[in-house]
Amino acid sequence: QVQLAQSGPEMRKPGASVQISCKASGNTFTNDHMHWVRQAPGQGLEWMGIINPSGQATSYTQKFQGRVTMTRDTSTNTVYMDLTNLTSEDTAVYYCARSGGWYAHFQTWGQGTLVTVSS
Amino acid sequence: QSVLTQPPSASGTPGQRVTISCSGRSSNIGGNTVNWYQHLPGMAPKLLVHSSNHRPSGVPDRFSGSKSGTSASLAISGLQSEDEADYYCATWDDNLKGWVFGGGTKLTVL
Repeated sequence: QVQLAQSGPEMRKPGASVQISCKASGNTFTNDHMHWVRQAPGQGLEWMGIINPSGQATSYTQKFQGRVTMTRDTSTNTVYMDLTNLTSEDTAVYYCARSGGWYAHFQTWGQGTLVTVSS
Repeated sequence: QSVLTQPPSASGTPGQRVTISCSGRSSNIGGNTVNWYQHLPGMAPKLLVHSSNHRPSGVPDRFSGSKSGTSASLAISGLQSEDEADYYCATWDDNLKGWVFGGGTKLTVL
């Protein structure tokens, strides 16, 4: 059973960038697609994008295009999500999740990483 | 405003059956299967139903999903206090070329 462990909480000022990591343990996730989903305070879940198993293909929802980059290091079973030009509206809990395909359900989720953007 | 529409709240007493709806359009629910997730505060979301009506192993058969046209539903029978959580539907949207979620339904067990 693959488990996903995310990096710890982050605090940034407006205009800064943040990188969150998500490390898989247990069975390898070499064939898994990885997603990032966020939840702002009092809001619902919002899908941000996906990266394929090799890391060669990504797709980001239009809202975040130009500000988000998803990468993965297959040697360490870790995926990363970089978000730039942060505003207070980016304050949220960010989750990674794995799926068996681009169009497949999210089987397992990370525990979440709180990112707080405040001056 | 979420692409998929869910009622913001639902409630029931222990032992009751409750249903949570999820409404979309032809580009999302109408052409793709629906997944349901349970989200407890401070926890990782958990997959409850995938492919509209399949339960992963370990999910009690009290939880069931269905889909018809551009709508889907999650039914919870034999309601228990531990079912109190937020529930989200999700599916792929062919027009947006991305995954979309409902706004979430907060289930209260009275």
